[in-house]
Amino acid sequence: SQQGEEDPQALSIQEGENATMNCSYKTSINNLQWYRQNSGRGLVHLILIRSNEREKHSGRLRVTLDTSKKSSSLLITASRAADTASYFCATRRSYIPTFGRGTSLIVHP
Amino acid sequence: DGGITQSPKYLFRKEGQNVTLSCEQNLNHDAMYWYRQDPGQGLRLIYYSQIVNDFQKGDIAEGYSVSREKKESFPLTVTSAQKNPTAFYLCASEGRMEAFFGQGTRLTVV
Repeated sequence: SQQGEEDPQALSIQEGENATMNCSYKTSINNLQWYRQNSGRGLVHLILIRSNEREKHSGRLRVTLDTSKKSSSLLITASRAADTASYFCATRRSYIPTFGRGTSLIVHP
Repeated sequence: DGGITQSPKYLFRKEGQNVTLSCEQNLNHDAMYWYRQDPGQGLRLIYYSQIVNDFQKGDIAEGYSVSREKKESFPLTVTSAQKNPTAFYLCASEGRMEAFFGQGTRLTVV
């Protein structure tokens, strides 16, 4: 069973626009992570946010966490065609990394 | 270069055959995982190992087997009991709260 679920399932935008994807989860967490997966490849870790943090930045990425709503969002600013990928949030179930179904992002040049 | 390596990248299995997917890491991580990825279903946990010589079933272990005789290696065998093995298989290891993934093996039944 999946702990986190991303929304929307698919997102299509133009280069230069911002992309926002959301993650909802079910149980309490110590931290939440976001990963990226290019088509046909493995996942790559993007950013980790701890439960006592509300917002975190890394380059063009901005992650927020609202533990009261059990939700997180990933914002990619000034998107590029190279950002085209699937994005997954990850939480833990009994210490094991658990992933949602992902958001498929397409950035049109 | 530290990392996690899966092989082969593509694998074809005939009906009734067992096949083994390789996963090797040189990151000195204790924890290793196998996930299966099907379109629209995200990553589902097959097996995991927190330490050498120990492993546990995940959510979809039926038709699969693993071993963990060395810290660096966590091979996955897809047995003939797995009736729908066509999928993308991902191996991961974990250290300091971050999972590192291999590039995946795409298994197809022919």
